[in-house]
Amino acid sequence: DAGITQSPRHKVTETGTPVTLRCHQTENHRYMYWYRQDPGHGLRLIHYSYGVKDTDKGEVSDGYSVSRSKTEDFLLTLESATSSQTSVYFCAISEQPSYEQYFGPGTRLTVT
Amino acid sequence: GQQVMQIPQYQHVQEGEDFTTYCNSSTTLSNIQWYKQRPGGHPVFLIQLVKSGEVKKQKRLTFQFGEAKKNSSLHITATQTTDVGTYFCAVASGGSYIPTFGRGTSLIVHP
Repeated sequence: DAGITQSPRHKVTETGTPVTLRCHQTENHRYMYWYRQDPGHGLRLIHYSYGVKDTDKGEVSDGYSVSRSKTEDFLLTLESATSSQTSVYFCAISEQPSYEQYFGPGTRLTVT
Repeated sequence: GQQVMQIPQYQHVQEGEDFTTYCNSSTTLSNIQWYKQRPGGHPVFLIQLVKSGEVKKQKRLTFQFGEAKKNSSLHITATQTTDVGTYFCAVASGGSYIPTFGRGTSLIVHP
């Protein structure tokens, strides 16, 4: 497996609290992605990054922000968590957007 | 964004039966990727198709890209319990090289 870790792996938080998820890679890949996975919806892109400080929105970006200050780290922040953001979050990396993606193990987030 | 339809959503088979999942787009694709996700796991890349009419095989899995590059299929011959999981296609078109994932087909294999 590619060197991708996500932290935390599980988190339970209350509505209205801020939450930050971290993705760390050791592959030096340029592209990094955040997805959420919900039953019946597959994988939906939240935000992606194509370099340090270079990010763009995906299909379901409302309520989420990201930052990438180093090649190896991509942070996903929920400024004020809502119950609709309860989901499994996956980080992925790729050398180029058209190349295969390598996924992290996922973070299960529950917002109560 | 890119629209992609993946069918069926679920498929139950008896072990030894064949299985096929389809991925369809209304626009011409530049490439298509297939991924497999085991229950409780993360998606794992299987293959990428780029050329019109391309057919690739991996043991019991056969991947096909349509002649018009608007659809693709994944066929598994003689399913085994190890094939259980959700199969996703991810498509990209000329407008954006960032792939869009289909909703996936969940394969359930009964022993």
